[in-house]
Amino acid sequence: NAGVTQTPKFQVLKTGQSMTLQCAQDMNHNSMYWYRQDPGMGLRLIYYSASEGTTDKGEVPNGYNVSRLNKREFSLRLESAAPSQTSVYFCASKYGTHAGPDTQYFGPGTRLTVL
Amino acid sequence: AQSVTQPDIHITVSEGASLELRCNYSYGATPYLFWYVQSPGQGLQLLLKYFSGDTLVQGIKGFEAEFKRSQSSFNLRKPSVHWSDAAEYFCAVRSGGGADGLTFGKGTHLIIQP
Repeated sequence: NAGVTQTPKFQVLKTGQSMTLQCAQDMNHNSMYWYRQDPGMGLRLIYYSASEGTTDKGEVPNGYNVSRLNKREFSLRLESAAPSQTSVYFCASKYGTHAGPDTQYFGPGTRLTVL
Repeated sequence: AQSVTQPDIHITVSEGASLELRCNYSYGATPYLFWYVQSPGQGLQLLLKYFSGDTLVQGIKGFEAEFKRSQSSFNLRKPSVHWSDAAEYFCAVRSGGGADGLTFGKGTHLIIQP
């Protein structure tokens, strides 16, 4: 049981390049999330998916797109990377489909640098 | 809108001493509150959570937290810290406005002195 896995662990992009961050969970969870973590800012929600086939914007969605490929996988795409998107990106998942108290489990993160 | 404030950016505690990390929240309805810990270069691990019932919540690694509605606080405590407790600690509340997800505080960096 690997939990939440993310690839890649590290990535360096040039401004304007595109890339997709991958996330997968093997816990049969329904909801999945993407957060970004910046120094001194805590984590901020980018997008989430309450179930397969649905996605919704979080606090900071601009510049990102997401795809809930199936129940296990939730990808985050940067179409044209900007230096402001330099951050550590975390994927998380939980079993429930609504804003309830069940625990979100986090992946190890992807450290992205945009030059 | 919901928000979480962690007033202390850094805290230094001697090994074996007690610890209290402060968290204040703003949320219109009954909050679901969480404390997560992040070790360097790692993801986040849940320490404990509160959603109803007993306002004193026990978590992993000897941590506990007390929900005080009148003070809008959810402070994290540990009676005796160990060097392995050095990490970043985040308080979080469920996001409001119909959105799912968590709203996090900016974190408190805990340093343990030998």
